[in-house]
Amino acid sequence: GAGVSQSPSNKVTEKGKDVELRCDPISGHTALYWYRQSLGQGLEFLIYFQGNSAPDKSGLPSDRFSAERTGGSVSTLTIQRTQQEDSAVYLCASSLDSNRGVTGELFFGEGSRLTVL
Amino acid sequence: AQKVTQAQTEISVVEKEDVTLDCVYETRDTTYYLFWYKQPPSGELVFLIRRNSFDEQNEISGRYSWNFQKSTSSFNFTITASQVVDSAVYFCALSEKEGGSYIPTFGRGTSLIVHP
Repeated sequence: GAGVSQSPSNKVTEKGKDVELRCDPISGHTALYWYRQSLGQGLEFLIYFQGNSAPDKSGLPSDRFSAERTGGSVSTLTIQRTQQEDSAVYLCASSLDSNRGVTGELFFGEGSRLTVL
Repeated sequence: AQKVTQAQTEISVVEKEDVTLDCVYETRDTTYYLFWYKQPPSGELVFLIRRNSFDEQNEISGRYSWNFQKSTSSFNFTITASQVVDSAVYFCALSEKEGGSYIPTFGRGTSLIVHP
């Protein structure tokens, strides 16, 4: 389909390992967001990409987290030296340009469920 | 302090009851946007509605209605004659131009359980 695609859908890893989560946004959407959803919690903002602008990394919880977006399309969220508290569902969303002062609806992927043992 | 407060963690109703999900927000911007999203058990969040701060008209879409009141900073969501398929977690979100970008801030969600 033409929706936001995330992979893997499930990832189980051991504490201390690195993981990469991938997001393929809707074609033409210039804005891309990563959120984290922990059990019983709301959506915690992590990072935001908008076109060629520098990303807004203000939500990243530690320097073990990083993300990049290549060619204004696919994004990868990397978590280094994973900890048990990193276990959560990582959600990616895309939307049309939000910097013109109009914020459109976010289209979400199904998420990547990360379990750190 | 939370910018979006959904005080109801979980609501349980019987089918055909009306139910209102509360959302209170906090912002100093004059231009902002409010959203509701639905997250069914399958997991994918689905957009329901967006309102901008200059439009306080209430909106009705089928069994869904939204009451936006700037005076109380609330954007409540009512489902009339609830159905089992309405069972989901509902999130309210606020988008304001903090730092130059309208990055949505979400509430913690309200889990709605509709019993047959």
